[in-house]
Amino acid sequence: AQSVAQPEDQVNVAEGNPLTVKCTYSVSGNPYLFWYVQYPNRGLQFLLKYITGDNLVKGSYGFEAEFNKSQTSFHLKKPSALVSDSALYFCAVRGGQNFVFGPGTRLSVLP
Amino acid sequence: DGGITQSPKYLFRKEGQNVTLSCEQNLNHDAMYWYRQDPGQGLRLIYYSQIVNDFQKGDIAEGYSVSREKKESFPLTVTSAQKNPTAFYLCASSIIGRESTGELFFGEGSRLTVL
Repeated sequence: AQSVAQPEDQVNVAEGNPLTVKCTYSVSGNPYLFWYVQYPNRGLQFLLKYITGDNLVKGSYGFEAEFNKSQTSFHLKKPSALVSDSALYFCAVRGGQNFVFGPGTRLSVLP
Repeated sequence: DGGITQSPKYLFRKEGQNVTLSCEQNLNHDAMYWYRQDPGQGLRLIYYSQIVNDFQKGDIAEGYSVSREKKESFPLTVTSAQKNPTAFYLCASSIIGRESTGELFFGEGSRLTVL
């Protein structure tokens, strides 16, 4: 069975500083990994995904994620945070036709 | 534009009433999903469907029902049997296939409040 952990409920970072939102996963077979962002009272928006290939995946809004097979991690990163990046971030893994989501990490970027 | 439309955005219900949440997609996706989101929690799968006239229970199907009469539509009924229905409901769709790696596309959600 697949599972996803996001060890931090909340991440605070100053505007202009780099940010990291952590995700670890457990899956049998090849991991198909995803990051989504959710703003208040909105649906989830797709940011990026890892399927195969380069371990550094680039996505929307300047976000990127680093896949590390040995550590079973897929951390979301951005070199310079914006106040508008403040939102709820979900990591997910796809197994077959179903997706398993982590509990979410709330990112607050302070001006 | 292609996407997923959920309605209504906000819905209030009295205890004992059934309510139906609409979900329509024009992405030509075969698979559709319903998730429930509670404050401070992740997404929990209620039902999903991979093909017309077929659907499967997710992790928290009790008190909910669905139908899939058309590829584009996957309505969710929250019945009076659902003990704690107040939540944010999200509909999603994706392509499927034996080796599909596609992501989920989400609607904007429907917030149900039981009075």
